[in-house]
Amino acid sequence: AQKITQTQPGMFVQEKEAVTLDCTYDTSDPSYGLFWYKQPSSGEMIFLIYQGSYDQQNATEGRYSLNFQKARKSANLVISASQLGDSAMYFCAMRESDSGGYNKLIFGAGTRLAVHP
Amino acid sequence: ETGVTQTPRHLVMGMTNKKSLKCEQHLGHNAMYWYKQSAKKPLELMFVYSLEERVENNSVPSRFSPECPNSSHLFLHLHTLQPEDSALYLCASSQDFGSGLADYEQYFGPGTRLTVT
Repeated sequence: AQKITQTQPGMFVQEKEAVTLDCTYDTSDPSYGLFWYKQPSSGEMIFLIYQGSYDQQNATEGRYSLNFQKARKSANLVISASQLGDSAMYFCAMRESDSGGYNKLIFGAGTRLAVHP
Repeated sequence: ETGVTQTPRHLVMGMTNKKSLKCEQHLGHNAMYWYKQSAKKPLELMFVYSLEERVENNSVPSRFSPECPNSSHLFLHLHTLQPEDSALYLCASSQDFGSGLADYEQYFGPGTRLTVT
């Protein structure tokens, strides 16, 4: 069965520093997609970044980058130059392989990031 | 309105009440989702509608009844709920499989925080 594991329940980082949030996944499907979402205290899940299993390069979106190590089945999120507004829950998710034409996502338990001034 | 909207944002109901949660997406997507987010648990997929047809029902109790009258609207009808149903209910939408990143990303609404007393 497919599974997403986030081993860090909580992390803190100093403002302007970089931080890495860990995510490992388990799947036997050669084709899959990995996502990171941010959930502030307001509740809305905000899409951050996507990595396809066949993508040759690591995904980047502004201050967010994804450290994709396919052989190790890890897809860690790197946030550079942290800002106070980055304090939130962060979820790693994977598109389930037999989604049947729609995007069925499996989510990890999340990591709570606190950015300190 | 843009993106995905949900109403109400907060709802308190007794166990004998009947209420409905509403979700509306303004993105032209053709798949919509209901998720439940309880404290200290990963996000749980409840229902999926693709092209207004229910394609997924993850063993959700019958006291939760979804309705998708068109591709832009999704409802979750609630009746005789239990205190353990108290949670954040998130709606999301996406496009069916196709080419490009936009087909994989799910856009979430702000959620309805439900308290069952």
